[in-house]
Amino acid sequence: EDQVTQSPEALRLQEGESSSLNCSYTVSGLRGLFWYRQDPGKGPEFLFTLYSAGEEKEKERLKATLTKKESFLHITAPKPEDSATYLCAVLNAGNNRKLIWGLGTSLAVNP
Amino acid sequence: GAVVSQHPSWVICKSGTSVKIECRSLDFQATTMFWYRQFPKQSLMLMATSNEGSKATYEQGVEKDKFLINHASLTLSTLTVTSAHPEDSSFYICSARPLAEETQYFGPGTRLLVL
Repeated sequence: EDQVTQSPEALRLQEGESSSLNCSYTVSGLRGLFWYRQDPGKGPEFLFTLYSAGEEKEKERLKATLTKKESFLHITAPKPEDSATYLCAVLNAGNNRKLIWGLGTSLAVNP
Repeated sequence: GAVVSQHPSWVICKSGTSVKIECRSLDFQATTMFWYRQFPKQSLMLMATSNEGSKATYEQGVEKDKFLINHASLTLSTLTVTSAHPEDSSFYICSARPLAEETQYFGPGTRLLVL
């Protein structure tokens, strides 16, 4: 069964304290892995799409990496405005084209 | 780029009335749009997949007669909650997928409160 597991469930960091969020997946053929950021009361904001193992993408303080079993979202020197829930989703190679979602990591960055 | 809007952002209605939510892709065309529902502290739950010019595909357990979806153009999909009841109160979010892309871009969401 296709599944996405995110860890940790919640993470509290001090401003400037770098860390990584994990997204482990089992899927019958990966078509894409997606990272989103969601603020309370808002829709998810797109961050990255990764398609194949070894791929990396960066945007400001965020860097996403992908292996055959998991993806990491590395946050370098986070700021309080990086506080949000980070969601990971995968798209399998089947015909239904539906995203399979993790439950998210709630990140709080203290000043 | 890849901006999706939703209207209204929040709505309060009386039980038994119908509510329409619009989802628009502002700077791209989307043959496929998706409607999700999200409960507090939970992840997104897909309700239906909407393809331009054809009937929507509903997920198991979602009443298609209650949640009417219309995808009349490549930039607009609507969700109508018919005869709304308090249990329909939730956060509804749409997404749109550009042509020849796998990424879904999400709208800001609509909070519905049924009294």
